[in-house]
Amino acid sequence: ETGVTQSPTHLIKTRGQQVTLRCSSQSGHNTVSWYQQALGQGPQFIFQYYREEENGRGNFPPRFSGLQFPNYSSELNVNALELDDSALYLCASSLRENYGYTFGSGTRLTVV
Amino acid sequence: KQEVTQIPAALSVPEGENLVLNCSFTDSAIYNLQWFRQDPGKGLTSLLLIQSSQREQTSGRLNASLDKSSGRSTLYIAASQPGDSATYLCAVRPGTGFQKLVFGTGTRLLVSP
Repeated sequence: ETGVTQSPTHLIKTRGQQVTLRCSSQSGHNTVSWYQQALGQGPQFIFQYYREEENGRGNFPPRFSGLQFPNYSSELNVNALELDDSALYLCASSLRENYGYTFGSGTRLTVV
Repeated sequence: KQEVTQIPAALSVPEGENLVLNCSFTDSAIYNLQWFRQDPGKGLTSLLLIQSSQREQTSGRLNASLDKSSGRSTLYIAASQPGDSATYLCAVRPGTGFQKLVFGTGTRLLVSP
């Protein structure tokens, strides 16, 4: 059983650029969520996808967008990067409501 | 709005001690509660998942309890080891609305040899 894998592990971007982060869900999981974790803070919910549809969104602006593909892998896209977007971005997948979430190792994004 | 608080923010203990990490949440209408471990700069590793109908879960030296009515959970670590040093995060899944996790800010644990 494979876990959740994220790529890349680290990324440095310039303010104003766009970035795409990728996530492969754990095998069989149909729900994927993205979280942003600033240094010293708990993860904050960005959005969630279920069967390729966004079915929940946290308090993040529209320049944060995502996709889920038929194989349940997912992308997080961030446009017009700001310095405050520097954080660890975590992807998590789940199977059903009463299952826990499995997290990936994260992508460390630095915006300079 | 669900809020999760973890106390203490940091904890330093000598190897071998038993310790308790606390988590409290403001809305008792939760689906489940999950404890995670996070090593510096790394992702989250799930430790224990407690459904709202359960009172506790155990895995090895770890025991987590849930008192939903009072909005509290504790993570008990027995016979702590230096390898237990990490940040421990508590997260609740609200019982209403779409599925998401609401996290506390974590307890940073240091176990000294």
